[in-house]
Amino acid sequence: GAVVSQHPSRVICKSGTSVKIECRSLDFQATTMFWYRQFPKQSLMLMATSNEGSKATYEQGVEKDKFLINHASLTLSTLTVTSAHPEDSSFYICSATQTGIHTEAFFGQGTRLTVV
Amino acid sequence: AQSVTQLGSHVSVSEGALVLLRCNYSSSVPPYLFWYVQYPNQGLQLLLKYTTGATLVKGINGFEAEFKKSETSFHLTKPSAHMSDAAEYFCAVSGTGGSYIPTFGRGTSLIVHP
Repeated sequence: GAVVSQHPSRVICKSGTSVKIECRSLDFQATTMFWYRQFPKQSLMLMATSNEGSKATYEQGVEKDKFLINHASLTLSTLTVTSAHPEDSSFYICSATQTGIHTEAFFGQGTRLTVV
Repeated sequence: AQSVTQLGSHVSVSEGALVLLRCNYSSSVPPYLFWYVQYPNQGLQLLLKYTTGATLVKGINGFEAEFKKSETSFHLTKPSAHMSDAAEYFCAVSGTGGSYIPTFGRGTSLIVHP
């Protein structure tokens, strides 16, 4: 099956610094990737839809300047948490759908971000 | 709009017992339906999906689900629970209103007792 690799799996950073999370589709092209945030014991909250070569579409209430998304190629999308604060600590998950095929989204293994 | 309701945030079963995780959806058109499993600090793994065709869908690890349009349900079952089945399970729907972005239920935590 299609594989999505997310890196890093865990990161600890200091308040005020920025953190970049990468999401790669290893064996397929992904025109569209999705970024989710998951709070403990809760479901996935869609943050934004990332489209290759264009600006991301953010969900209501998600700060565009806080969570910068770049989808520069058909296999890579990045999420940068800028000026991180402790309240940004969470589990972030990316997913991707294969170009032209929308019946299944493939998920990365997630990134546990802790801001201290 | 599409939505998913998972009944019961926690389901507890004994090892070897039947597993039943409930999922109901709302959609104005035939949806795509999914069940995902999540282990602690990991991403989501697809268990099974329904898109078209046979309404009884078999997935990995002995799980299966049946799409019942009349009941707008897609319940997940497994005849005999194993300790390794303990995890968080998410039902999701997509494909309605022209959107292929999956909408997730709140999740059900499956607890398996020895």
